[in-house]
Amino acid sequence: DAGITQSPRYKITETGRQVTLMCHQTWSHSYMFWYRQDLGHGLRLIYYSAAADITDKGEVPDGYVVSRSKTENFPLTLESATRSQTSVYFCASSASQGAYYGYTFGSGTRLTVV
Amino acid sequence: GQQLNQSPQSMFIQEGEDVSMNCTSSSIFNTWLWYKQDPGEGPVLLIALYKAGELTSNGRLTAQFGITRKDSFLNISASIPSDVGIYFCAGTNSGNTPLVFGKGTRLSVIA
Repeated sequence: DAGITQSPRYKITETGRQVTLMCHQTWSHSYMFWYRQDLGHGLRLIYYSAAADITDKGEVPDGYVVSRSKTENFPLTLESATRSQTSVYFCASSASQGAYYGYTFGSGTRLTVV
Repeated sequence: GQQLNQSPQSMFIQEGEDVSMNCTSSSIFNTWLWYKQDPGEGPVLLIALYKAGELTSNGRLTAQFGITRKDSFLNISASIPSDVGIYFCAGTNSGNTPLVFGKGTRLSVIA
């Protein structure tokens, strides 16, 4: 199906474990983004990518790693999960970084770190 | 970094009432966007604004790009139960920087 899909929808992991959240888009959008949503903080940018093999830090990058070997995929890895990384994570894509067309968001991954 | 102040944080309104919310920036923006997030879903774009003073409607929703370029407003007329959700403003001041989001306004509609 066309669109942007995130997997898994729900994930529970233990402190210290590595976990990878997946994001896949079918529009060949150049730009992809990872946001986290927390009560009282709204949406905060973690990392973004302008194209394959080009990534940049956002507002809250510490503890996260991204890669983009293919245009359509933009996985987010928590190298050693901490309880403070319990959050809802949203992936988004756009044809432009300046958001002339807006960003299209996935349905999110709810991550709980215990 | 850039910050957006969105208010109110939450609203409880009766069905049929009109709703107003706003967003202010510490710096000038050249694009303002309004999103709605339904429970358990990602945000969905409602309205995009590209010029100072611009007024754009989408059904019962109307948004305005403030003339100072540091604020934007969203109005919802005759609210209905499906308007429930979180409304986010977002903006950017250049084509080279990602969107910055406000913290959201949580809207509850009482039937």
